Amino acid sequence: NAGVMQNPRHLVRRRGQEARLRCSPMKGHSHVYWYRQLPEEGLKFMVYLQKENIIDESGMPKERFSAEFPKEGPSILRIQQVVRGDSAAYFCASSPRWGNPEKLFFGSGTQLSVL
Amino acid sequence: SQQGEEDPQALSIQEGENATMNCSYKTSINNLQWYRQNSGRGLVHLILIRSNEREKHSGRLRVTLDTSKKSSSLLITASRAADTASYFCAMDSGGGADGLTFGKGTHLIIQP
Repeated sequence: NAGVMQNPRHLVRRRGQEARLRCSPMKGHSHVYWYRQLPEEGLKFMVYLQKENIIDESGMPKERFSAEFPKEGPSILRIQQVVRGDSAAYFCASSPRWGNPEKLFFGSGTQLSVL
Repeated sequence: SQQGEEDPQALSIQEGENATMNCSYKTSINNLQWYRQNSGRGLVHLILIRSNEREKHSGRLRVTLDTSKKSSSLLITASRAADTASYFCAMDSGGGADGLTFGKGTHLIIQP
């Protein structure tokens, strides 16, 4: 049973380009969380999605960031017009049920570097 | 808002010794979890303790929770070089939609 899969592992973008980060949750999990981690920091919640629904995006910057979790395919975190401050590790986690997740299963993350 | 803070930020001990990490939080919780992160990897769930529990064991791990002090500790006994990692506490405050709130972590180094 494959775990949470994220790709790419490393992504390099120049300022102004778009970054697309993908996450496939564990089999049977329909709830996806995205977190961002800056160096020497803990994880900061960004967004929580179910299939075709954004449940909570209170941690997402108001501009340039968007997320989706379509009926078919992986969840996508999209960052438009990237800036150097977007450089971070982005982690996706999944759980099998809503709220009080009890336990999150994490992917290995995507390290985004903005030049 | 809920925020977790681990103490110490970094800890270096000899192999075989015990390692203790502490976590403090601000608001009431449903449960508190500890995760481990190896360098460049995702987080791995270690143990969960509910708000009505005071102590929990799992192998060489022992977690305590003091809700009156809003604090938790993680003890790793008989440490091994493979325990070298960052350890994070994560609070589930209920309401559910925003998942877990993580602290900044304790970086543990086990010297052989």
